Amino acid sequence: EVQLVESGGGLVQPGGSLRLSCAASGFTFSTYSISWVRQAPGKGLEWVSYISHTSTTKYYADSVKGRFTSSRDDAKNSAFLQMNSLRDEDTAVYYCARDVGYCSGGTCYRYFQDWGQGTLVIVSS
Amino acid sequence: DIQMTQSPSTLSASVGDRVTITCRASQSISSWLAWYQQKPGKAPKLLIYEASSLESGVPSRFSGSGSGTEFTLTISSLHPDDFATYYCQQYNSYPYTFGQGTKLEI
Repeated sequence: EVQLVESGGGLVQPGGSLRLSCAASGFTFSTYSISWVRQAPGKGLEWVSYISHTSTTKYYADSVKGRFTSSRDDAKNSAFLQMNSLRDEDTAVYYCARDVGYCSGGTCYRYFQDWGQGTLVIVSS
Repeated sequence: DIQMTQSPSTLSASVGDRVTITCRASQSISSWLAWYQQKPGKAPKLLIYEASSLESGVPSRFSGSGSGTEFTLTISSLHPDDFATYYCQQYNSYPYTFGQGTKLEI
């Protein structure tokens, strides 16, 4: 059974930092890309970042570019989201998700097949 | 960025009803569209991918259709467990974007 478990959320002051973790099990972690998606309280879903299975390709939403960094440690079956310079508007539940999809001609199309339970980040003074 | 617009935002229905949710993309996304169901306090759950492919384990009362810019999610006969919020998501190009959600309520 595929499992993704996020941790590392909590209360942080504006301008502070947090590092989220996503521990994976039930599949060959090193062969899958991972995305992070967040959901502000009472709001919809927002894609935040993507890291390829080789870590060579990373994408970020404009809202977090330059402040958030994705990484992974395949030996630990884990992905991470380093969040710096946090703002009030970063308050959300953060989910990691396993990407699956289809690649053709150098372009890949991936959707989110499995999700963790989420970890809550609150940015407030 | 590709904008995704769902309608309606809220849908009132009863057990046994057939319901349809529409999702429109601001530009063509071919068939690179997924639908998710989310219940309060829970993670989203994948229902449909590639516009019309049913995810394994998802009941056959759920179906998806469309291509290009217009897509629909249909639930053929509502079960009590189907009352939730539904999101479409395009994965044609980054940044991946979601619709604003459709809350299906009794």
